[in-house]
Amino acid sequence: TQLLEQSPQFLSIQEGENLTVYCNSSSVFSSLQWYRQEPGEGPVLLVTVVTGGEVKKLKRLTFQFGDARKDSSLHITAAQPGDTGLYLCAAGGKLIFGQGTELSVKP
Amino acid sequence: SAVISQKPSRDICQRGTSLTIQCQVDSQVTMMFWYRQQPGQSLTLIATANQGSEATYESGFVIDKFPISRPNLTFSTLTVSNMSPEDSSIYLCSVIEGLVTEAFFGQGTRLTVV
Repeated sequence: TQLLEQSPQFLSIQEGENLTVYCNSSSVFSSLQWYRQEPGEGPVLLVTVVTGGEVKKLKRLTFQFGDARKDSSLHITAAQPGDTGLYLCAAGGKLIFGQGTELSVKP
Repeated sequence: SAVISQKPSRDICQRGTSLTIQCQVDSQVTMMFWYRQQPGQSLTLIATANQGSEATYESGFVIDKFPISRPNLTFSTLTVSNMSPEDSSIYLCSVIEGLVTEAFFGQGTRLTVV
C-alpha cells in the first residue's frame, strides 16, 4: 500500500511568518498534487508536480518535488490569515492522500 | 475544470436508516471516486465508481454497507446503509478528467447519525 506521510499535522503561526509542510513516501510517484481545503468545502487543487527536482511557485507558495519523486514540500512565505486551512498532498492513480496539515495563521 | 454538484450538503439521520448521496458533474469524466473525511482530518477512499459495472471498494469498505451506482459518465450515487453513529462523517465525491490525476471535488455531504 502506498502511503504518504505528511508533517507537521498542526501548525499555528503568526501572520508574516514562513512555514514548510512536508510530504514523504517510500514509493515513487509519476506526479504529486497539493490541495487546500476550507471548512465546509471540498479540497481545491493548488498544483501538480511531475518532474523530479521540479519547483513551482504560486504567489507566496513554493512547491518542490524531490529528485527521486518520493517526496515533496510546500513552503509559504509571509503567511497571511487567508492561508488558514487544511493542506493535503496526494498521489497515485487512485489519489491517496496524506494525513493533512491543519494550518492556522493568526493576525 | 469540472463543476460538481453534491447533495444533500448535510443531513441528520436516525440510526438504522439509509441515506443516498448524489453527485452530478457538468461534463463527462474519466473516473469518479467517493471519499470519507472526519472533520479536520484527511480523506479516506471508499471506492471507485465504475460506469455500468460494480464499484471497486477499498479495504474496509463493502458493497452491502456502501452501495454505489454510476449509470453514466456524469452521475453517481453513494448510499450509506443501516447507519450507526460511527458513520457520522463528511462524504465527498471526486472526479478525474482525462489522463491526468488531478481531482476535483464536490462540496461534501456532512452526515450526522443520531
